[in-house]
Amino acid sequence: NAGVMQNPRHLVRRRGQEARLRCSPMKGHSHVYWYRQLPEEGLKFMVYLQKENIIDESGMPKERFSAEFPKEGPSILRIQQVVRGDSAAYFCASSPRQGTEAFFGQGTRLTVV
Amino acid sequence: GENVEQHPSTLSVQEGDSAVIKCTYSDSASNYFPWYKQELGKRPQLIIDIRSNVGEKKDQRIAVTLNKTAKHFSLHITETQPEDSAVYFCAASPGGGADGLTFGKGTHLIIQP
Repeated sequence: NAGVMQNPRHLVRRRGQEARLRCSPMKGHSHVYWYRQLPEEGLKFMVYLQKENIIDESGMPKERFSAEFPKEGPSILRIQQVVRGDSAAYFCASSPRQGTEAFFGQGTRLTVV
Repeated sequence: GENVEQHPSTLSVQEGDSAVIKCTYSDSASNYFPWYKQELGKRPQLIIDIRSNVGEKKDQRIAVTLNKTAKHFSLHITETQPEDSAVYFCAASPGGGADGLTFGKGTHLIIQP
């Protein structure tokens, strides 16, 4: 059973470009969570999704950020018009159902130049 | 919202000694408290968790204690080994699982040979 798979592992974008981060949950997991980690900081919750539904997006910035988890395929975190402050590691986690432990992916390290 | 404070930010102990990391939380509705270990450039890995219906949980050299009244919980590592060197994060969640985890800022544990 492969773990949570994130790609790409590293992503470099120029200011103003779009960044797309992908997350494939563990087999049998239908709950996906996205977290952002700034250097020397803990992880900050962004959004919680189930298939085709956003359950909690209280940690998502109001502009430029969006997330989806379609019926087929990976979950996507999309950042439009990236700025230098978006540079961070973005981690995805998955769980089989609500109220259970989460397993994290390796993360995508986004660098905005 | 929830606020999790973690201390110390850096902890250096001699190999073989014990290490204790402490966290406090603010939201009395939080009922799930995981601890994650993160090595440099790698994913956070769950090492132990505790739910609010128990006061202590142990797994080999690792133990976690929870004081709901005081709203604090601690990680105890005994007989520390070089491979224990990493950043440790505590977290709290009201959802009983991974939804909406609030993380502490991390403790950099250094095991001195």
